Amino acid sequence: GQNIDQPTEMTATEGAIVQINCTYQTSGFNGLFWYQQHAGEAPTFLSYNVLDGLEEKGRFSSFLSRSKGYSYLLLKELQMKDSASYLCAVRDSNYQLIWGAGTKLIIKP
Amino acid sequence: ETGVTQTPRHLVMGMTNKKSLKCEQHLGHNAMYWYKQSAKKPLELMFVYNFKEQTENNSVPSRFSPECPNSSHLFLHLHTLQPEDSALYLCASSFGTGEAGELFFGEGSRLTVL
Repeated sequence: GQNIDQPTEMTATEGAIVQINCTYQTSGFNGLFWYQQHAGEAPTFLSYNVLDGLEEKGRFSSFLSRSKGYSYLLLKELQMKDSASYLCAVRDSNYQLIWGAGTKLIIKP
Repeated sequence: ETGVTQTPRHLVMGMTNKKSLKCEQHLGHNAMYWYKQSAKKPLELMFVYNFKEQTENNSVPSRFSPECPNSSHLFLHLHTLQPEDSALYLCASSFGTGEAGELFFGEGSRLTVL
């Protein structure tokens, strides 16, 4: 079966750095997405990786290793507004999105 | 504001009621989706429409009935639901399916079935 694993919950301190990991086992690979979802709000797109390496977007970076079936989302200079759930999703060989259960990130002052 | 609007935001219904969820997108997308989001579970894809044609029905019980009158509007008709159907129902849209880019989600309709 297809599976995406990510930690259920993480806690970090304002101003610090946090890395949210995502490992996947899917039938083929056609890209990996990260979304952010604040409580009671819509998931919003953060990043897309299809080739190995690091993609940087301001305070957020996303890394992919296809050979290891692994990605991480790196958040720097954490702010209270970064408290949210972070969803990892992989597009498989049929272009279906396989979703992880999400990581709830709690930022403490 | 994601360009995808869902109504109502909250809905409480009994098991014998009939209600509908509505989704509208203002992004010019061709594909629209219904997802179910339950606490601590991955998003579950329910239905996909591409150019108004249903292209995916993910073994969803018949008590959920989708309708897509045009590329901008999507409905989910609900009848004879069960308490386990209580969840957040998310609508999303994209430029086509397949190699399309990211999904744009609405804020969801929180459904409680009593």
